Amino acid sequence: DQQVKQNSPSLSVQEGRISILNCDYTNSMFDYFLWYKKYPAEGPTFLISISSIKDKNEDGRFTVFLNKSAKHLSLHIVPSQPGDSAVYFCAANYGQNFVFGPGTRLSVLP
Amino acid sequence: NAGVMQNPRHLVRRRGQEARLRCSPMKGHSHVYWYRQLPEEGLKFMVYLQKENIIDESGMPKERFSAEFPKEGPSILRIQQVVRGDSAAYFCASSLIGTGRGTEQFFGPGTRLTVL
Repeated sequence: DQQVKQNSPSLSVQEGRISILNCDYTNSMFDYFLWYKKYPAEGPTFLISISSIKDKNEDGRFTVFLNKSAKHLSLHIVPSQPGDSAVYFCAANYGQNFVFGPGTRLSVLP
Repeated sequence: NAGVMQNPRHLVRRRGQEARLRCSPMKGHSHVYWYRQLPEEGLKFMVYLQKENIIDESGMPKERFSAEFPKEGPSILRIQQVVRGDSAAYFCASSLIGTGRGTEQFFGPGTRLTVL
């Protein structure tokens, strides 16, 4: 039973364009959402988060949007850079429950 | 301020042997989480520990797997009688406060376990 889904295993985007990574969740109890980025042979690193009381959070080139009614969130990266190529994990949290999605591999092509 | 440290980075074991994975959390962090990443899959929660206590082990297999976080020293994830299916990357994370609203977990580089 996958509570957090990232239905696109991979995504390729041209440098300078927008990257949009999607995440869906099933448990309406989740009240905090995070995005992590992972390079090969390294641990995930925190990127950006959003509380369920907000619908948007922006940090530089990264913006996360939350649609609670659709149980959907997305990460926008603009403009995309080759260094953004990595696996992106969506994570959802409530109480002591911390659930990661399977990840989306983003490739930014020069 | 050193980040989360895990060792060894790579561990090779034969079927039936024991694997011990160590995790030193960030300085000042008393909450530790272990995750497993199987090939081509995402991170799966295994266990959440606070100093000397297991808070949540709902993601850990009931047999052969155990975890501890003693008062002194690193957290240890122990896998007894390893099987080929245990081959995976095991990540440890730590946080300053317990899991909850807005708690950020800091991850270590992982230990890649290969069972021959």
